[in-house]
Amino acid sequence: GENVEQHPSTLSVQEGDSAVIKCTYSDSASNYFPWYKQELGKRPQLIIDIRSNVGEKKDQRIAVTLNKTAKHFSLHITETQPEDSAVYFCAASYPGANNLFFGTGTRLTVIP
Amino acid sequence: NAGVTQTPKFQVLKTGQSMTLQCAQDMNHNSMYWYRQDPGMGLRLIYYSASEGTTDKGEVPNGYNVSRLNKREFSLRLESAAPSQTSVYFCASAEGHPSFGYTFGSGTRLTVV
Repeated sequence: GENVEQHPSTLSVQEGDSAVIKCTYSDSASNYFPWYKQELGKRPQLIIDIRSNVGEKKDQRIAVTLNKTAKHFSLHITETQPEDSAVYFCAASYPGANNLFFGTGTRLTVIP
Repeated sequence: NAGVTQTPKFQVLKTGQSMTLQCAQDMNHNSMYWYRQDPGMGLRLIYYSASEGTTDKGEVPNGYNVSRLNKREFSLRLESAAPSQTSVYFCASAEGHPSFGYTFGSGTRLTVV
């Protein structure tokens, strides 16, 4: 099966700065890469995803980049705000897989 | 439209007790999943059901059983709870292949003493 590694495990940034979270995956057949945000005490929610036919996707202050050759993808958050503080999970899946394979999560703290 | 509903939200069990976590979705999704979330370990798959009538083991199935009662409901049973099963449990559903994206329930915080 797929193995997804995520770094860093914790990240603190000043409000207004950018944050970058990186994930690597092991199965070159993986073609779907979502990111979930989990606020304290809440359920994980999908915030952005990318498929292997594109290299970058943006949605306002968040963006995801994918490097298929290196088998890694990253979440970029610009102009961070206190409400961005949460745990972020990356995941991957491949054709024929029955589930998503999650990274271990990154706790992002935005310091006002 | 409630999405994915999990009950209970909190539960404390004594070692050896049994309980069933309930999950129901109203989105007509085919696939349903049970995950456990532990600090530093992310979301680990316990069991999944790709369609009504089928269930399969995930990464950490030991100590658990599941039932896909119908298309809407997918329950997780702990037959003899152990302290190692203290965790937050999330149910999720997806329309079909995971690439359609998961919808998660609100979670069950289980403590086994």
